[in-house]
Amino acid sequence: GEDVEQSLFLSVREGDSSVINCTYTDSSSTYLYWYKQEPGAGLQLLTYIFSNMDMKQDQRLTVLLNKKDKHLSLRIADTQTGDSAIYFCAESIGGYSTLTFGKGTMLLVSP
Amino acid sequence: DGGITQSPKYLFRKEGQNVTLSCEQNLNHDAMYWYRQDPGQGLRLIYYSQIVNDFQKGDIAEGYSVSREKKESFPLTVTSAQKNPTAFYLCASSLGLAGAQETQYFGPGTRLLVL
Repeated sequence: GEDVEQSLFLSVREGDSSVINCTYTDSSSTYLYWYKQEPGAGLQLLTYIFSNMDMKQDQRLTVLLNKKDKHLSLRIADTQTGDSAIYFCAESIGGYSTLTFGKGTMLLVSP
Repeated sequence: DGGITQSPKYLFRKEGQNVTLSCEQNLNHDAMYWYRQDPGQGLRLIYYSQIVNDFQKGDIAEGYSVSREKKESFPLTVTSAQKNPTAFYLCASSLGLAGAQETQYFGPGTRLLVL
C-alpha cells in the first residue's frame, strides 16, 4: 500500500538552509507535492515535481527527487522566521486524483 | 476572489448530536475532498467527490456522511456515530483530472470540539 514518511521536526537558525526529507513507497507515483501549513490555517501548495524529473528550482525552494530510492527533499535557502510552519509531502498515483499525505514536518526557525 | 470557504471556523458539538460543516468553492473545480487532521497524524481522507451527485469513501469514512448536489458545495455531516469527532477539518478542491498534475486548493478549516 501507499505510505509517505517524514521526520517530525526540524530546527534551524535564520539565514541557514533547511532540508526537509520525505520517503514514499509507491513506485507508480506520478506527481509529488510540497504543501505548507501555518498555525490554524489550511494548506497551501509550495511546489510540485513530476516523477520523471530529478530536480526543480523555484526561487528559494529546490526540490530533489531520487526515484530509485523513493526519496524526495525540499531545500529552503536563506530560511526566514516566516518559514516556520508544518510542511507536508504528498504523492498522487497515476489514474487517481486523490493525494496521500505524510504526517508533516514542523520547521522552527529561530532568530 | 476565487477560493474555498469553510464555515464555521469553530463548531461545538454536544454528545449525540449531528453537526454539518460547510464547504463552498468558486474555482469551478469538479473534485472536492474532506480531510481530518489530528495532532501528529497528518491529513486523513474522509470522503471525496469527483463529480456532482457522486462521492466515494476515503480512509476514515465511518461516522461521517456527505452530499454533492451542486458543483460548488460539498457539506460534511459528523454524525453521532463518530465517537471521537474532535479534530481540525479541512476541505479541498481540484480540477479532478486523474493522472494529471492535480493541485488541491484548501479552505481555512473548521475546528470541531465536543462539549
